[in-house]
Amino acid sequence: NAGVMQNPRHLVRRRGQEARLRCSPMKGHSHVYWYRQLPEEGLKFMVYLQKENIIDESGMPKERFSAEFPKEGPSILRIQQVVRGDSAAYFCASSPSMGTGIGYTFGSGTRLTVV
Amino acid sequence: SQKIEQNSEALNIQEGKTATLTCNYTNYSPAYLQWYRQDPGRGPVFLLLIRENEKEKRKERLKVTFDTTLKQSLFHITASQPADSATYLCALEVNNNNDMRFGAGTRLTVKP
Repeated sequence: NAGVMQNPRHLVRRRGQEARLRCSPMKGHSHVYWYRQLPEEGLKFMVYLQKENIIDESGMPKERFSAEFPKEGPSILRIQQVVRGDSAAYFCASSPSMGTGIGYTFGSGTRLTVV
Repeated sequence: SQKIEQNSEALNIQEGKTATLTCNYTNYSPAYLQWYRQDPGRGPVFLLLIRENEKEKRKERLKVTFDTTLKQSLFHITASQPADSATYLCALEVNNNNDMRFGAGTRLTVKP
């Protein structure tokens, strides 16, 4: 079982470019969560998705950020027109569809640097 | 406003002692609470879950308590080892659907 796979591991973008971060959940997991982490800070919730549905996007900035989890393929977090303040580590986690209280399985994160 | 607060940014203890980490929350009513470990450059790793009707949970050298009246969870590592050095995050369930919110974490250093 490969676990949660995130790629790329490191991403460098110039200001104004687009960043696309990918997350493949664990096999059998249909819930995906995206978090953002700044150095020496905790995880800030961004969005919670199930296949083809956004369950909770209360942590997503209103502009430039979007997320999807299509029926086939990985979940994508997309940041348009990146700015320096978007530089952070972005973590994806997944959990099974059944049951509550099941711990998340996290990926190793994508470290985005905007230059 | 809703808050999750973990005690002090850093905790330093001597090997063999018990480490106690605190998680306090405000304006949440979680059905359960989780603790994670995070090492530098890595994603968090799930350690323990405790439900609102459970007072205490144990796993090997780890013990978690959950007091819904005080709105507090305590996380204990007994007989600590240098390998326990990491950042520990508490997380609360919100919205009754396995949606979790995380505290900022406490960085634990166990000195030999």
